[in-house]
Amino acid sequence: GNSVTQMEGPVTLSEEAFLTINCTYTATGYPSLFWYVQYPGEGLQLLLKATKADDKGSNKGFEATYRKETTSFHLEKGSVQVSDSAVYFCALSVIDYKLSFGAGTTVTVRA
Amino acid sequence: NAGVTQTPKFQVLKTGQSMTLQCAQDMNHNSMYWYRQDPGMGLRLIYYSASEGTTDKGEVPNGYNVSRLNKREFSLRLESAAPSQTSVYFCASSGGQATSGQYFGPGTRLTVT
Repeated sequence: GNSVTQMEGPVTLSEEAFLTINCTYTATGYPSLFWYVQYPGEGLQLLLKATKADDKGSNKGFEATYRKETTSFHLEKGSVQVSDSAVYFCALSVIDYKLSFGAGTTVTVRA
Repeated sequence: NAGVTQTPKFQVLKTGQSMTLQCAQDMNHNSMYWYRQDPGMGLRLIYYSASEGTTDKGEVPNGYNVSRLNKREFSLRLESAAPSQTSVYFCASSGGQATSGQYFGPGTRLTVT
């Protein structure tokens, strides 16, 4: 079946630090890959996506590259801010109705 | 453009009571979904609707019913609430393809006592 494994948190770092959240996947077929962010008390927001191998998704300073050879979609940001504190979910979709989520990684950025 | 809206934001029910969670989207999306989010369990799909007039079970449908009222609205009903249904419920919509991604509402926090 399809599944997503992402690094366990929580992750705590200082403002302006570099952030990496690892995500690997197992899928049949050709998945689309997504990163979602959930701020405290809110719903999930689509942060970025990539729909085929070697695509790079980017948004708000975050980037992730679809690596088929390593079945990975790691999220990176070069300089985090306090406002980036949130829970980040990696997800994949092969068929539209089935969005498979990772367990989520809690990130806390200290001033 | 409000995106996906949900009502109510918070609700407390007694065991055995019923209620309906409302969801609406203004993005002209064909597909709509209901999830529940529980600590340590991630997001689990309850029901989905691929298009107006169709609904299908997801991973955890027991104890719930849904209605796709029209293209915009997709409601979730708890007929006889149980404490195990205490959760945060999210509605989502998408354009109907695997590449689209899903767009989520703000959630309903439900407590069943």
